[in-house]
Amino acid sequence: QVTLRESGPALVEPTQTLTLTCTFSGFSLSSNGMCVSWVRQPPGKALEWLALIDWDDDKYYRTYLKTRLTISKDTSKNQVVFTMTNMDPVDTATYYCARLSAGTTSPFDFWGQGTLVTVSS
Amino acid sequence: EIVLTQSPGTLSLSPGERATLSCRASQSVTARYLAWYQHKPGQAPRLLIYGASTRATGIPDRFSGSGSGTDFTLTISRLEPEDFAVYYCQQYGSSPRTFGQGTKLEIK
Repeated sequence: QVTLRESGPALVEPTQTLTLTCTFSGFSLSSNGMCVSWVRQPPGKALEWLALIDWDDDKYYRTYLKTRLTISKDTSKNQVVFTMTNMDPVDTATYYCARLSAGTTSPFDFWGQGTLVTVSS
Repeated sequence: EIVLTQSPGTLSLSPGERATLSCRASQSVTARYLAWYQHKPGQAPRLLIYGASTRATGIPDRFSGSGSGTDFTLTISRLEPEDFAVYYCQQYGSSPRTFGQGTKLEIK
C-alpha cells in the first residue's frame, strides 16, 4: 500500500525558509522510474507543480522559483525534503507531495493529503 | 507553458445523470500526456485517468476519458453520490507540468 504524508510548520514568517518533509511507504525511491514531486495550491487557486526528484537523484524545479527551491531525498528513511527560501504571504498554500512511478513523464499516481502553510507575521 | 482551461467551472447534476467535463489546452498536449484527478476536501487527490483515456488502477468504468491535441473530456456515465468533488486535468508531457483550474461537480 502506497502512502505519502507531508509534515512541517503550519505557520511561517515572511522571509523565513520553509522546510517540508514527505514521508512515504510502499515503494522505494531508489527503484527505477520512481519520483516524488511537490505541488501547491493557494486558497481558491489552481494546483501548481514546484519540484521533482527522481530515482537517479536528478532534480527539476519550476523555472521562476528555481532560485528559492531545493529538493532532496533520504532513501534510507523513505523521505523527501523540500525547502523554499524567502517565504512571502503569496506562498500561503496547501503543499502536497506526490509520487510518479513511471519516470518523469508520468502522472502523479499517489498523493499525500497536503499540509496548509500560512505565511504571516 | 501550456495553459489548461476547464469548463464549466461548476456543474450541478443529480445522482444517476451523466457528467461531461472539458479541458482545453493552449497548445497541443504531447503524446496525449493528459491526466484527470478527483479531489475531495481534506483528502488526497486521486488519479482517475492518464494517457487521456486509460483508467488508473481501481477506477470504476463509469469514468472515461477521451480527446487528443488540445481538447479533452472526462465523462462520468452515471453519477454516484461519492462522485461529487472537484476534478482537475493536468498535462505532464511538457515542462512545466500544468493543471487546469478545476471543475466543481456538485449535487443539484
